[in-house]
Amino acid sequence: GAVVSQHPSWVICKSGTSVKIECRSLDFQATTMFWYRQFPKQSLMLMATSNEGSKATYEQGVEKDKFLINHASLTLSTLTVTSAHPEDSSFYICSARDIAGVGYNEQFFGPGTRLTVL
Amino acid sequence: AQKVTQAQTEISVVEKEDVTLDCVYETRDTTYYLFWYKQPPSGELVFLIRRNSFDEQNEISGRYSWNFQKSTSSFNFTITASQVVDSAVYFCALYSGANNLFFGTGTRLTVIP
Repeated sequence: GAVVSQHPSWVICKSGTSVKIECRSLDFQATTMFWYRQFPKQSLMLMATSNEGSKATYEQGVEKDKFLINHASLTLSTLTVTSAHPEDSSFYICSARDIAGVGYNEQFFGPGTRLTVL
Repeated sequence: AQKVTQAQTEISVVEKEDVTLDCVYETRDTTYYLFWYKQPPSGELVFLIRRNSFDEQNEISGRYSWNFQKSTSSFNFTITASQVVDSAVYFCALYSGANNLFFGTGTRLTVIP
């Protein structure tokens, strides 16, 4: 099956620093990647949809200047949490959609990145 | 508007018992897809099943079975003879015209040995 990787798998940083999380589709091309955030014991909430070569579309309530998303290639999207604060501590999950096929295009999930801001 | 309701927040069962996880969805689209994912303590989502709105046939995969009923907008998941390794959070999700997956709030299943 298709594989999506995330790096790093976990990160601890000081308040005020920026953290970059990478999401890669390893064996397929993805025109669209999604970024989700999951707080403890809660569901996955879509933060933004990232399309290769264009600006990301952010969900309501998500600060685009705080969560910078770049989708520079068909296999890589990055999420940068700028000036991170403790309330940004969460589990961040990306997913990638295979551009092949018709109808529903399968969405494959990465293993997640656990961010802890001290 | 899309909505996925998993009314059971937490369930505990004793090993070897059967357990059913409920999922009720709402959508105005006639074409949609329903999913179940398992999220073990490691956090990585594990895909279990996808069903499209035109296929109401129930499915069985080993100890897992799914009951899709459009009349009640439900897509329930049953684990037969539960095992400790089944302990996880299970998410039901909906994909329709919004072009992205919408997740329910999840059900935390604990299987007691």
